[in-house]
Amino acid sequence: DAGVTQSPTHLIKTRGQQVTLRCSPISGHKSVSWYQQVLGQGPQFIFQYYEKEERGRGNFPDRFSARQFPNYSSELNVNALLLGDSALYLCASRWDRFSSYEQYFGPGTRLTVT
Amino acid sequence: GESVGLHLPTLSVQEGDNSIINCAYSNSASDYFIWYKQESGKGPQFIIDIRSNMDKRQGQRVTVLLNKTVKHLSLQIAATQPGDSAVYFCAENIGLSNNNDMRFGAGTRLTVKP
Repeated sequence: DAGVTQSPTHLIKTRGQQVTLRCSPISGHKSVSWYQQVLGQGPQFIFQYYEKEERGRGNFPDRFSARQFPNYSSELNVNALLLGDSALYLCASRWDRFSSYEQYFGPGTRLTVT
Repeated sequence: GESVGLHLPTLSVQEGDNSIINCAYSNSASDYFIWYKQESGKGPQFIIDIRSNMDKRQGQRVTVLLNKTVKHLSLQIAATQPGDSAVYFCAENIGLSNNNDMRFGAGTRLTVKP
C-alpha cells in the first residue's frame, strides 16, 4: 500500500514569494494534518483538515493557509515567504479526525527560502 | 506554557543493549501519546501509541510506559540494533477541546555503536 505522498521533495524560493505544497493521504484516510519542522526541532502543528473543513489550527500567521479536496488530498499555501519559513513541511494522515487512530507522516517537502 | 519535553537530547548505546528514551509532559489533559522515529531525510515514522487509560503497551521489541502520576512517558527498545539509530520524538494529543494538536518534544538522538 502506498503511504502518504508529498510533492515536491525540495523547493527553493525567494523572500516574498508564494509556495504551494501538496499531500496525498493514505487510501481511506480522511484527515490530513500539516506540520512545520525546523532543523533540530520537533514538528509543530499548523493545520488539521477533515472532510474538507479546517478542524484545527496551530499558532501560525495568516500567511499560512490550506485546503482539502474531495479526494482528501490537501494543499498548504504560504504567502509572502520569510527566511524563517525555511523548514521541512510534513503532511500526516489518519482515518478520522480524532486521536483514536495512529497518524502517519509523509517524507516531507524541504523548503528553502533565500 | 505547557509542553512536551525530553530528559536527554542524546543517547548512545551498544548494539544488543536495551535503550530507554524518556519524555516528560506537563499537560494533565493529555489523553493520547505516540512515539515516532525519524531517520535523516525522512518523515517521522509511527512506532507505538498509548492512551491515557493504560500504563503499558508492548510492540515488537518496543514497550511504552506511561506514568500519569509524574507525567512521564518512556520508550524501551530491546536488543538495540544499528538500524534503530535515529531521532525519537514523543508527541501528545490533548484532546478534541484543543483542535487535535499533536504536540512534539524536541527529540532524542539515539546512536547505536556496533
